[in-house]
Amino acid sequence: DADVTQTPRNRITKTGKRIMLECSQTKGHDRMYWYRQDPGLGLRLIYYSFDVKDINKGEISDGYSVSRQAQAKFSLSLESAIPNQTALYFCATSGEGDYNEQFFGPGTRLTVL
Amino acid sequence: KNQVEQSPQSLIILEGKNCTLQCNYTVSPFSNLRWYKQDTGRGPVSLTIMTFSENTKSNGRYTATLDADTKQSSLHITASQLSDSASYICVVSALGRGNKLTFGTGTQLKVEL
Repeated sequence: DADVTQTPRNRITKTGKRIMLECSQTKGHDRMYWYRQDPGLGLRLIYYSFDVKDINKGEISDGYSVSRQAQAKFSLSLESAIPNQTALYFCATSGEGDYNEQFFGPGTRLTVL
Repeated sequence: KNQVEQSPQSLIILEGKNCTLQCNYTVSPFSNLRWYKQDTGRGPVSLTIMTFSENTKSNGRYTATLDADTKQSSLHITASQLSDSASYICVVSALGRGNKLTFGTGTQLKVEL
């Protein structure tokens, strides 16, 4: 089984709808991250969490919220989806320290009509 | 502002040929640099990591170099295979930023028969 899983893998929704993307990991890592990837742009950090009680905004957090339900679970919500949130979303996990590799999930392709 | 620039944006080579991808960065203070491979529809996977004191690192047919003075890195792929077709992303981490990463936009490599 994959170490980092994301659900759903694909989602099409309409403007104004609330959407939740879920991420689970079995690597036992404390640190979890949400990124979005757009064509022609590098991955950009939305939110990150260093443990269950620690949530931090990334560079593009506006319009998003997160919940760290447990060490292994980190969900991303779009309270009222808009078309420019159409993107590929990745969850990642890592151990502590600057040298630890981030392990990425398979991604969720979200389309907002 | 921390930035990572990659070139070329895309590249097509014949199977069996070698190629070199470039990365320039302005991340400070520098901690480490990774090259990730991202297959279509998948999350990025780390190929190599280099710290300030390392100037070359190999992983099979992949060899990465780092010049910390000029803030440049390259990824050399030897004897390319069809399975090397992917996006290659240069990712730089700054010291003391909790493993927050700056991503390049990637080089899209296509290996053809």
